[in-house]
Formats: sequence, structure tokens, C-alpha cells
Amino acid sequence: QVQLVESGGGVVQPGRSLRLSCAASGLTFSNFALHWVRQAPGKGLEWVASISGDDASSAYYADSVKGRFTISRDNSKDTLYLQMNTLRTDDTAVYYCATGRPEKSTTVLRSWFDPWGQGTLVTVSS
Amino acid sequence: DIQMTQSPSSLSASVGDRVTITCRAGQTINTYLNWYQQKKGMAPKLLIYASSNLQSGVPSRFSGSGSGTDFTLTITSLQPEDFATYYCQQTYRIPVTFGPGTKVD
Repeated sequence: QVQLVESGGGVVQPGRSLRLSCAASGLTFSNFALHWVRQAPGKGLEWVASISGDDASSAYYADSVKGRFTISRDNSKDTLYLQMNTLRTDDTAVYYCATGRPEKSTTVLRSWFDPWGQGTLVTVSS
Repeated sequence: DIQMTQSPSSLSASVGDRVTITCRAGQTINTYLNWYQQKKGMAPKLLIYASSNLQSGVPSRFSGSGSGTDFTLTITSLQPEDFATYYCQQTYRIPVTFGPGTKVD
């Protein structure tokens, strides 16, 4: 079955950088759009970024991370990334990656997220 | 941005109860509305996609309906494993947005 495993979380000081990874298995990776969603402690879900499938030609970001975060993918390694620069304390959250459905969609929109990884905690604190 | 609201924000229910959660979009989103269940300390799990389609493996006591701006998630007979927080999500426009959640306890 499809499995997503995030890694790379940890404690980092404000203004520093961190790169998250999401390793996928059990699917034809390049056929799927992929997404990052975060959840601050005790809060709801917040969409962070999305990237289109095969050619990764389209990437979209929440205003709160635009210009600081970069989503990318390596289809040869079945891995999704989130490069997070200039981190702020309000970036503290569990970060989830998720597969976009349906398969082979030409857009990241009109979709649903399934499955999700188990999440990785990022804590931004001095 | 498309604002998503949910009501109620929380509800108390008993095993066997019928539970209805409402989600409203700030503008029309056709049927591009999904529902997720999240238990404490776990990742969200897809229940319903495109307003009314039951995800494979999800019990048939869950159902969804609606189009345009008003949507409903119904649990016909609440089971012990259904106590969780439920989120709606629109994927009609960027930014993708989630409702604030409804906690069922």
C-alpha cells in the first residue's frame, strides 16, 4: 500500500533553515501531485504548498510561507522536499506530506489528499 | 481566499447517535469539498472526497452531501472509534483551505 514517511524535523533557531523530506513507496510517484500541510500545536490544519506531478512544472504556496519555503520533488528518488528558510516561531508545527488524488491529474486542484504521512515536528525557538 | 466555516465547533454525543456536521464555503466551490477525520496524535484520514464519495475502506455510516457553498457530513450511528476531530477542505481554488474543525466527544 502507499506509504509516506517524513523526516528532517527538529528544533531550529529563528532565522535559520531546515529541509524536510517525504519518502514515498507503493505508488508510481511521478503520477501524483504532492502537498505539504502543517498543524501548529493545538490548532487546525493549514495548507502550506503543493507541487504538480510528472514534470513538477507548477508549485503553489500559502501566503504565510511564500518567498521563504520551496517545495520540490525528485521523481528518481520518489521523494518530496520542503526547503524552509528564514524560519519564524509561528512556523512551529507538525508538517505532513500528502498524496494528491486523482492519479495523473493535470492540476493540483479539484483533488483530495490521501494518504498522509505520519508527520514531522518542527520547533522554531531560540 | 475561500473561507471555510464549520458548525458546530464541538459536540457531545453518545454511541449510536446520529451526528451531523455542517461546512460552509465563503464562495461557491462546486463539489470540490473533502472531509477528513483526525484522532489525537495521528495524521488526518480521508473520509469523503468530492462532497459525497466515500473513500475506500471507510465505513458506510459516514456520508457526505452538498454542492455550491453548503455541505454536510453525517455519521448515522456513532461508534466508539469515531470520537475525533473532523475537518472539511476545499480544493477549488488556491490557497487550499480547511475548516477550523469539529470535535466530537
